[in-house]
Amino acid sequence: QQQVKQSPQSLIVQKGGISIINCAYENTAFDYFPWYQQFPGKGPALLIAIRPDVSEKKEGRFTISFNKSAKQFSLHIMDSQPGDSATYFCAARTSGSRLTFGEGTQLTVNP
Amino acid sequence: SQTIHQWPATLVQPVGSPLSLECTVEGTSNPNLYWYRQAAGRGLQLLFYSVGIGQISSEVPQNLSASRPQDRQFILSSKKLLLSDSGFYLCAWGDNNYGYTFGSGTRLTVV
Repeated sequence: QQQVKQSPQSLIVQKGGISIINCAYENTAFDYFPWYQQFPGKGPALLIAIRPDVSEKKEGRFTISFNKSAKQFSLHIMDSQPGDSATYFCAARTSGSRLTFGEGTQLTVNP
Repeated sequence: SQTIHQWPATLVQPVGSPLSLECTVEGTSNPNLYWYRQAAGRGLQLLFYSVGIGQISSEVPQNLSASRPQDRQFILSSKKLLLSDSGFYLCAWGDNNYGYTFGSGTRLTVV
């Protein structure tokens, strides 16, 4: 029940396209859903996060869409750029618990 | 502001040699601290976490151990490295409500 399932495992998008990464969870007590971006040889960095009281959060070209009833949330990268090529992790937690991470999605944006 | 330091950045060690990786956090007190390992192209595997000095929880039985001698210091150790200990080791800190902040990682190669 603590799992977060992330898909796809890898994604190739053309420059200017939309990248979409999906995550699903079972634990309805989760109340914080962050996304991390990791470049090769670096530690993951917090990209954007959402709490379940809103259905969408947008920061620049990055948007989280949250569907509480379906227990799913997704990351949308608009106008994808080669510099967005990285591994993306979704995660979830309840207050006071540890983060549960998805398995990661390797995004490649071709020029 | 809070910062996390992790060193060394890269390490090549022979099989059977000891290991000591250090992580320190600045700008916060009593942080939750975490050690993760990441195999090439894979997800984040939680190894140890600590909620306070001397308090260590192990997630996976293995050849490694962790210690927290000071509030903002977290050390990952091994008495005798195995080939399978190779990987990218990440330290992170967090509170009980938000995401984690990761260090820059240590690339360990056991030869």
